[in-house]
Amino acid sequence: QVHLVESGGGVVQPGRSLRLSCATSGFTFSSYALHWVRQAPGKGLEWVAVISYDGANKYYPESVKGRFTISRDNSEDTLYLQINSLRVEDTAVYYCARGGDTWNDAAFIWGQGTMVTVSS
Amino acid sequence: DIVMTQSPDSLAVSLGERATINCKSSQSVLYSPNNKNYLGWYQQKPGHPPKLLIYWASTRESGVPDRFSGSGSGTHFTLTISSLQPEDVAVYYCQQYYTPPHTFGRGTKLEIK
Repeated sequence: QVHLVESGGGVVQPGRSLRLSCATSGFTFSSYALHWVRQAPGKGLEWVAVISYDGANKYYPESVKGRFTISRDNSEDTLYLQINSLRVEDTAVYYCARGGDTWNDAAFIWGQGTMVTVSS
Repeated sequence: DIVMTQSPDSLAVSLGERATINCKSSQSVLYSPNNKNYLGWYQQKPGHPPKLLIYWASTRESGVPDRFSGSGSGTHFTLTISSLQPEDVAVYYCQQYYTPPHTFGRGTKLEIK
């Protein structure tokens, strides 16, 4: 059974950094693209990053480009999201999701999410 | 960026009746070489992560009841629930994955009338 479990969230001051992790199991990690999607409290879904199966391709929206870095460790079956210069508007639940075999595919299976609160 | 516009914002339908949600993209998400529409539909219930219902605009994900169907091509898409059940109360999102950023619509809240 496929599982994705996010961790690393918490309460952080503006301007600080945070690294989120997504531990996975139940599938061949190195064969799939992976996504991060966030959801601010009471708001809709915002896609924030995708990484190809081999880590060669990474894409972000302009709203986070330069502050967010997606990475993966195919030897540990783990996905990461490094968030720098945190802003109040980064407050959200962050979900990781397994995509297909290419970066331009739907988000098929989702984790339960980890909450990030940016507040002084 | 491709803008995804969903309508309506909210919808109330009687049990057993049909529910229809629309999604329009600001540019085509149809890739002609493979004739696929890079469009997905997700269901999110309160306190839960989203769940993929439909991908390639009309392919039902494994385990999704057949009362859910997707249609459309190019820039106009529809999610239809043929006979609304109590467990279908949720927010529904469309998403394009044709080109990054993989933008979502703002969501449609579906309730029981």
